[in-house]
Amino acid sequence: DVKVTQSSRYLVKRTGEKVFLECVQDMDHENMFWYRQDPGLGLRLIYFSYDVKMKEKGDIPEGYSVSREKKERFSLILESASTNQTSMYLCASSSGVAWGTQYFGPGTRLLVL
Amino acid sequence: KQEVTQIPAALSVPEGENLVLNCSFTDSAIYNLQWFRQDPGKGLTSLLLIQSSQREQTSGRLNASLDKSSGRSTLYIAASQPGDSATYLCAVAPYNTDKLIFGTGTRLQVFP
Repeated sequence: DVKVTQSSRYLVKRTGEKVFLECVQDMDHENMFWYRQDPGLGLRLIYFSYDVKMKEKGDIPEGYSVSREKKERFSLILESASTNQTSMYLCASSSGVAWGTQYFGPGTRLLVL
Repeated sequence: KQEVTQIPAALSVPEGENLVLNCSFTDSAIYNLQWFRQDPGKGLTSLLLIQSSQREQTSGRLNASLDKSSGRSTLYIAASQPGDSATYLCAVAPYNTDKLIFGTGTRLQVFP
């Protein structure tokens, strides 16, 4: 079974802090994604990566950056957290084409105070 | 711009009922349509993927259909059980993009 893990289930941070969210997948997938999920807005794509050191902006990249130094790991960075970044963050991975079956991690619920 | 809509937003049914969840999309130029399940506070689990050339896919008690010309998909759940209670999301993969566009989901409750 594909396993996608995220470093934290719950996280509380202060406004202005730098926040790192880590995602690791164990199936050698080429593609990895970061989404945020908000009530009434559904899932929105922040960034994705289709190879090591490659990244593409999604629909809402502002205020975020990403890093993919190894194939299995994809990090989401909030350079200076703000209260409007309070959300559920979901990581996913897929093999082959980016629009194939995506496998999701359990999510990180981030609260920015 | 592709938009995906799921109606109703919530549904409550007694155990044993057969039910249909709906998903509509505005642009038929898609690679595939996918259905996911999400339990409260958890990530998404892939249920079914229908390629644009297919009409339906089945997995156990689940059957998903796709009508690209009308921009609709349905997820049929047979003989519902309390364990089916979750939020069900559909997503489409538009041509010429590398991403999925998600609906906001239907929250299903199956009561004993």
